[in-house]
Amino acid sequence: NAGVTQTPKFQVLKTGQSMTLQCAQDMNHNSMYWYRQDPGMGLRLIYYSASEGTTDKGEVPNGYNVSRLNKREFSLRLESAAPSQTSVYFCASSEPWTSSGSLVNEQFFGPGTRLTVL
Amino acid sequence: KNQVEQSPQSLIILEGKNCTLQCNYTVSPFSNLRWYKQDTGRGPVSLTIMTFSENTKSNGRYTATLDADTKQSSLHITASQLSDSASYICTQQFYFGTGTSLTVIP
Repeated sequence: NAGVTQTPKFQVLKTGQSMTLQCAQDMNHNSMYWYRQDPGMGLRLIYYSASEGTTDKGEVPNGYNVSRLNKREFSLRLESAAPSQTSVYFCASSEPWTSSGSLVNEQFFGPGTRLTVL
Repeated sequence: KNQVEQSPQSLIILEGKNCTLQCNYTVSPFSNLRWYKQDTGRGPVSLTIMTFSENTKSNGRYTATLDADTKQSSLHITASQLSDSASYICTQQFYFGTGTSLTVIP
């Protein structure tokens, strides 16, 4: 199993350009997530998809759109890139389950995409 | 405000020594408390997950504790190895701490 894969690994954009970050998982997980990680800050949730056909905003959704193409794939699109979107982007997936009445949500992360917007 | 705070920000220890990393959270309601290890240039990898009813969880040389009353967790690393050099991240729900950067030196 490859787990969670992300493409591309690196990308440089000019301000105003658009691009789509791709994510796929082969663990048959229902839930998928997009995070960004910036120096000195924790991972911040951009969007998530609890199941195929649904998407919800996270903490920092402005400037991004997502598509849950099918159960395996969850893409993140930047329509008009800005320097503030320079970051490392991580995709994750999970299959929440219940233990002793608590919801357990172990997320599996991809290797990340390093995006620089000039 | 939902927050996860970790201390120390960075730590340097000698190979073979033990260390303890701290995590305080204000996230409510409680979901599960997770610790991740993130090597430089890689994605986070799960170390332990604790539910509300668990107060300790081990994974090899890693032992996490949870005090749900004080909203504190700790990660204890025993007999550190050079490969333990990484960032250790505490998280509750969708809220992540900034991590503790651990460096193990020979």
